[in-house]
Amino acid sequence: EDQVTQSPEALRLQEGESSSLNCSYTVSGLRGLFWYRQDPGKGPEFLFTLYSAGEEKEKERLKATLTKKESFLHITAPKPEDSATYLCAVQARSGAGSYQLTFGKGTKLSVIP
Amino acid sequence: DVKVTQSSRYLVKRTGEKVFLECVQDMDHENMFWYRQDPGLGLRLIYFSYDVKMKEKGDIPEGYSVSREKKERFSLILESASTNQTSMYLCASSSKSRPGSQFFGPGTRLTVL
Repeated sequence: EDQVTQSPEALRLQEGESSSLNCSYTVSGLRGLFWYRQDPGKGPEFLFTLYSAGEEKEKERLKATLTKKESFLHITAPKPEDSATYLCAVQARSGAGSYQLTFGKGTKLSVIP
Repeated sequence: DVKVTQSSRYLVKRTGEKVFLECVQDMDHENMFWYRQDPGLGLRLIYFSYDVKMKEKGDIPEGYSVSREKKERFSLILESASTNQTSMYLCASSSKSRPGSQFFGPGTRLTVL
């Protein structure tokens, strides 16, 4: 069974204080690992896809990295508008699971001015 | 601007009622998904569809059914609503070539009394 564990559950940062969110996963053949951002009362918004160990993707203050067992979402000099819940999800390589994502429970990030 | 829309943002129903939740996407996506999101449990897949009239069970299909008669529309049906189906329901769509990069609707918060 595919599993995704995110840590920490919640993170409070001062504006400008860089940090990382962790996503550990077990999957029967990784097809892709995905990061989403979710604001309160809204649906998740797609951020990144990572396909293989060593791959990195960047968008503004966010950088996602991938190893064979985990992914990190690095947040550099965060601003209050980066406050959100960040979700990690994995997609298996084959079978019915190749269509669906298994999500972690998320990390709720609060950036204090 | 690409969009996934859901028929209602908030819905209140009584136990035993039949409930229809509708989702429409304008991106010509082949895949569509229904999730529910609960505090502490995260996003869980109910059903998905990879083509018109095709459907596959997700992780928690019990008590739900789906219908996809047109490519752009995917409906979730609660045959006899129960209080444990009170939740946030999220619809998503994705292309055949990138099934994991999903676009989500704004969600429907369903309360069953």
